[in-house]
Amino acid sequence: GDSVTQMEGPVTLSEEAFLTINCTYTATGYPSLFWYVQYPGEGLQLLLKATKADDKGSNKGFEATYRKETTSFHLEKGSVQVSDSAVYFCALMDSSYKLIFGSGTRLLVRP
Amino acid sequence: DGGITQSPKYLFRKEGQNVTLSCEQNLNHDAMYWYRQDPGQGLRLIYYSQIVNDFQKGDIAEGYSVSREKKESFPLTVTSAQKNPTAFYLCASSTGKGQTDTQYFGPGTRLTVL
Repeated sequence: GDSVTQMEGPVTLSEEAFLTINCTYTATGYPSLFWYVQYPGEGLQLLLKATKADDKGSNKGFEATYRKETTSFHLEKGSVQVSDSAVYFCALMDSSYKLIFGSGTRLLVRP
Repeated sequence: DGGITQSPKYLFRKEGQNVTLSCEQNLNHDAMYWYRQDPGQGLRLIYYSQIVNDFQKGDIAEGYSVSREKKESFPLTVTSAQKNPTAFYLCASSTGKGQTDTQYFGPGTRLTVL
């Protein structure tokens, strides 16, 4: 079945460092891909999405490009802030329109 | 303000009791979903509904029940048959239309069994 694999955390960075969180997927066809962010004790917020190959989703300085050839959707940000500390989830929408989530990557940004 | 509300934020249950978690949305979305989140893990789908008076089991439906009598509401009952119900429960909704659809989440309910 469809699946999403994320790099394990925690990822610890200093403020203003460059961020990459790796995400790869296995799916039939070409699913839509998503990044969600979860702050402590809260629900998930949509961060960005891409619906077809080579699309780039972007929001709040975060970016991710849908790479069909490598089945990847890595999340990047050029300069992280302490307020970016959260758990980040990569997800795909399967052929039944259900979301399949990765296990999440915790990001900790130190001042 | 449009959005999804879940109540209560925290819920404590004794073993052997059924409890019902509320989820309401005013986004005029057709589809609604319930997920369970355990510490350090991703979300797992419990039940989903694409239209009023219809719902389907997700990956971990055993020990749970739902109803969808109104478009705005999708309550989840955690029954005594659920062996390990302590978890964070998240409700979501979407238009339910096609591969470009996006799910939006509520703030969650944390259930603890005493």
